[in-house]
Amino acid sequence: AQKVTQAQTEISVVEKEDVTLDCVYETRDTTYYLFWYKQPPSGELVFLIRRNSFDEQNEISGRYSWNFQKSTSSFNFTITASQVVDSAVYFCALSEARFGNEKLTFGTGTRLTIIP
Amino acid sequence: DAGVTQSPTHLIKTRGQQVTLRCSPKSGHDTVSWYQQALGQGPQFIFQYYEEEERQRGNFPDRFSGHQFPNYSSELNVNALLLGDSALYLCASSSGGQVRETQYFGPGTRLLVL
Repeated sequence: AQKVTQAQTEISVVEKEDVTLDCVYETRDTTYYLFWYKQPPSGELVFLIRRNSFDEQNEISGRYSWNFQKSTSSFNFTITASQVVDSAVYFCALSEARFGNEKLTFGTGTRLTIIP
Repeated sequence: DAGVTQSPTHLIKTRGQQVTLRCSPKSGHDTVSWYQQALGQGPQFIFQYYEEEERQRGNFPDRFSGHQFPNYSSELNVNALLLGDSALYLCASSSGGQVRETQYFGPGTRLLVL
């Protein structure tokens, strides 16, 4: 069975500080996909990144960066120089790569509050 | 390019009633997935529709059923509503081909069961 753990329930940081959101996953599959989504108060889940299990390169997109470490089954997300607009709930998710078996398994989310 | 749309945005029902939620996928997408998100929790997978068939189902009772139309839009039906069905219902669309595509989500329907 698949499982995603986001141990940090809530995080508060002062604006312009860096913050890292942790994600640990469990799967028996050798091929899988990892995702991060952002959920602002409006409720819509906004896609941030997808990473497949064969690609362990870290990725940077503006102030966002992701650290994928297969050895520790972790896919952590760092926001550099945080801004108030980054306040939201962030979800890490996992899905298998087999065709027809595409459900996303989500963690319980981390509520991030950026204090002005 | 229109994203995923859902209707209605909010809904209030009483126990025992039935409800139908609707979803139109993002342009170019043919696969629709439904998720239930209880307050303070992560979304839970209900089922996925591809080529008008239910392709995969999560751990939800038969009270939850769905349908996909030839234009790829989809409905989620819930019968005999329980208080515990109160949640945000999210629809996601993607391309159902062999290459794994990202699921893009709509704004959700907030259902309150009294």
